[in-house]
Amino acid sequence: SQKIEQNSEALNIQEGKTATLTCNYTNYSPAYLQWYRQDPGRGPVFLLLIRENEKEKRKERLKVTFDTTLKQSLFHITASQPADSATYLCALPPRNSGNTPLVFGKGTRLSVIA
Amino acid sequence: DADVTQTPRNRITKTGKRIMLECSQTKGHDRMYWYRQDPGLGLRLIYYSFDVKDINKGEISDGYSVSRQAQAKFSLSLESAIPNQTALYFCATSEPGGNTIYFGEGSWLTVV
Repeated sequence: SQKIEQNSEALNIQEGKTATLTCNYTNYSPAYLQWYRQDPGRGPVFLLLIRENEKEKRKERLKVTFDTTLKQSLFHITASQPADSATYLCALPPRNSGNTPLVFGKGTRLSVIA
Repeated sequence: DADVTQTPRNRITKTGKRIMLECSQTKGHDRMYWYRQDPGLGLRLIYYSFDVKDINKGEISDGYSVSRQAQAKFSLSLESAIPNQTALYFCATSEPGGNTIYFGEGSWLTVV
């Protein structure tokens, strides 16, 4: 089944800069990939879904790309703010067929420093 | 009120005790899940249910059991708790054919 790697456990950036988080997967390319935000001690919250036929998806200051050749998704937060500090998880289906729950990466903890 | 409610939110229990974590949802979703989260290991699926008569094991079901009492209720039991089951547990839901998962606020369980 699928393996997911998120590039680093933690990422520190300066306020106002663009944060870029990476999600790499092995094996087949999924039909879609999702990104979630998790605050300490809280449940993850869905942010964005990008499908295999979409190169890029945007929502306010968030942008997600999906490169099926590289087997990679990038998650960007532009003009980052301290309130963006959280753990960000990518998730995708474990197999390319059938009805199976999402598999989550371990997440990247983002800290935006004022 | 939260769409996915977990009780208790925090519990300390002793090794060997039976403990139940309950989950109820008001989203009207058929699909419900139990995940466990540990530092450095991320979210791991314990059990999932696609409707009231459907129960499936996830990645780490050993030592756990579940009951789907109704469309809106899905409980997780630890028959004989052990310390390495100390973790943050999440209940979640999704629609059939829907891709988004909605999580509860989590239940902190400590086994001493």
